[in-house]
Amino acid sequence: KQEVTQIPAALSVPEGENLVLNCSFTDSAIYNLQWFRQDPGKGLTSLLLIQSSQREQTSGRLNASLDKSSGRSTLYIAASQPGDSATYLCAVSFGNEKLTFGTGTRLTIIP
Amino acid sequence: NAGVMQNPRHLVRRRGQEARLRCSPMKGHSHVYWYRQLPEEGLKFMVYLQKENIIDESGMPKERFSAEFPKEGPSILRIQQVVRGDSAAYFCASSTSGTGNTEAFFGQGTRLTVV
Repeated sequence: KQEVTQIPAALSVPEGENLVLNCSFTDSAIYNLQWFRQDPGKGLTSLLLIQSSQREQTSGRLNASLDKSSGRSTLYIAASQPGDSATYLCAVSFGNEKLTFGTGTRLTIIP
Repeated sequence: NAGVMQNPRHLVRRRGQEARLRCSPMKGHSHVYWYRQLPEEGLKFMVYLQKENIIDESGMPKERFSAEFPKEGPSILRIQQVVRGDSAAYFCASSTSGTGNTEAFFGQGTRLTVV
């Protein structure tokens, strides 16, 4: 079964620290992996898309990596800010045109 | 580009009524997906459509739920005879050529409450 797991479910970090969010998936034959941010009661905002042929993608303070062989992706956030507080979702396309989502990590940045 | 537009944002229905959720994809996007997010759960795929065609409905409940994406106008997710368990946030996403290849963009969602 193709599954996506995100651990921990919640994380609190003091402002200014760098942090890493983890995502693991059960099938290495992925097409792409996408990281999203979801604010309470809101929709999903796409952060980064990594194609299966890529190892990492960067956007501003965010860097996402992909290791297909170990079935893992990480989202690195540098110099965290209170505005980074949200739920971060990892979603994988296993090649069947639908995204399989993890249950997310709820991040709180403490001022 | 206005992004993926969903309406209504909030919808309240009594048990047994019908719910109609609309989704207008981003300009230039011909692939539409519906996902459901139950309270305290992750997003689950429901259905994938292209113009006038249902491509994959493997995540759609067999009864009471239907979806369409007509040649003109928005995609519609229809839930007949709603029950309390249908209360959830329903998200629509669109892409240019399928999420196996390209980035998916999501709308703000419709939050359905069944009373």
